[in-house]
Amino acid sequence: DTGVSQDPRHKITKRGQNVTFRCDPISEHNRLYWYRQTLGQGPEFLTYFQNEAQLEKSRLLSNRFSAERPKGSFSTLEIQRTEQGDSAMYLCASSFKDSQETQYFGPGTRLLVL
Amino acid sequence: GQNIDQPTEMTATEGAIVQINCTYQTSGFNGLFWYQQHAGEAPTFLSYNVLDGLEEKGRFSSFLSRSKGYSYLLLKELQMKDSASYLCAVRDKGYIPTFGRGTSLIVHP
Repeated sequence: DTGVSQDPRHKITKRGQNVTFRCDPISEHNRLYWYRQTLGQGPEFLTYFQNEAQLEKSRLLSNRFSAERPKGSFSTLEIQRTEQGDSAMYLCASSFKDSQETQYFGPGTRLLVL
Repeated sequence: GQNIDQPTEMTATEGAIVQINCTYQTSGFNGLFWYQQHAGEAPTFLSYNVLDGLEEKGRFSSFLSRSKGYSYLLLKELQMKDSASYLCAVRDKGYIPTFGRGTSLIVHP
């Protein structure tokens, strides 16, 4: 297994456009998380899935953001009507349901909204 | 809510030892993680502590005191490639850890 993968790695878009990011977790991991990270800050939690169920969403996740994990494998994060403040690194992580639940991160998608 | 504090930046010399501290205040406790993050890259897992004491993994060790809300990451025999941000993350009761802002470590020759 090659770890968590994310696509695209970089995205430049104009304000008001919609963007969609994809995350493929480690295959045996049933939990998947989305985070956002800006310069000089740690990752901030956005939402998480256990299999296909979205179990928790942060207050940071405005109604312009939506995430899905339709078959309990890959996940997508969509941002509608992007704003300049959405510019950040979007990180995906996955974990296996055991006592430690260590999260393993993908390489991230760096979004720049012009 | 949760409050996690780490120093913003530290510098050290190649070959030396450095200790990066993390203090936290949480309503519960269900594990503390340390991650390393090189500039522009994703965080990579370093260590996990859930019981008090020291966990050693090669050049890296992590210590936890739950009663003091305190952890540190100890890096020995520093190498230039250890220059990175080190993130402390604490999980209170659920599955989601909260990350600190990270400590930027600069290793110089």
